[in-house]
Amino acid sequence: KAGVTQTPRYLIKTRGQQVTLSCSPISGHRSVSWYQQTPGQGLQFLFEYFSETQRNKGNFPGRFSGRQFSNSRSEMNVSTLELGDSALYLCASSLNYGYTFGSGTRLTVV
Amino acid sequence: AQSVTQPDIHITVSEGASLELRCNYSYGATPYLFWYVQSPGQGLQLLLKYFSGDTLVQGIKGFEAEFKRSQSSFNLRKPSVHWSDAAEYFCAVDHSGNTPLVFGKGTRLSVIA
Repeated sequence: KAGVTQTPRYLIKTRGQQVTLSCSPISGHRSVSWYQQTPGQGLQFLFEYFSETQRNKGNFPGRFSGRQFSNSRSEMNVSTLELGDSALYLCASSLNYGYTFGSGTRLTVV
Repeated sequence: AQSVTQPDIHITVSEGASLELRCNYSYGATPYLFWYVQSPGQGLQLLLKYFSGDTLVQGIKGFEAEFKRSQSSFNLRKPSVHWSDAAEYFCAVDHSGNTPLVFGKGTRLSVIA
């Protein structure tokens, strides 16, 4: 059974640009969550999508957005990138309880 | 708001020694509890989880954890550590099974010969 797939694995962007990250959940999983991981703040919840609807949202500015498609694949977008957005972005999918995480996308903003 | 505390930022143990990583949570009812492990540059791998029932849960890689309601704790243990266990360990809480995970800050485990 394939795991959670995140693409790309690494990304370098310039301040002010925007970026889109992709997450393909485990087949049959309808819930997809996104987390930001930084050395200073640790793991912080961004948002969760279930059946194409945002079910929960963390405390991040509106520059961070996401969506989920009918096949449960999800994307997150960050506009007007700031240096502080440099982080590991993790996606997790869930069927019932418990989350399976992908390997993450390492975003570096220069 | 619920929170998770992992009091130890970094722990060093000798290979073959026993290990206990501490986790305390603040929440009135019994939440869903998880332990994850993260190797450098990788995602999080689920070690074990507790929802209800037997308070001692077994996980992968020889890990176990014990839920103690009176102490609001969910400590992770392993009787004999292997060098490959060196990684960062995260305790997480979900208070209803349908809400975002709240993570502790993590404990980095180093294993020495």
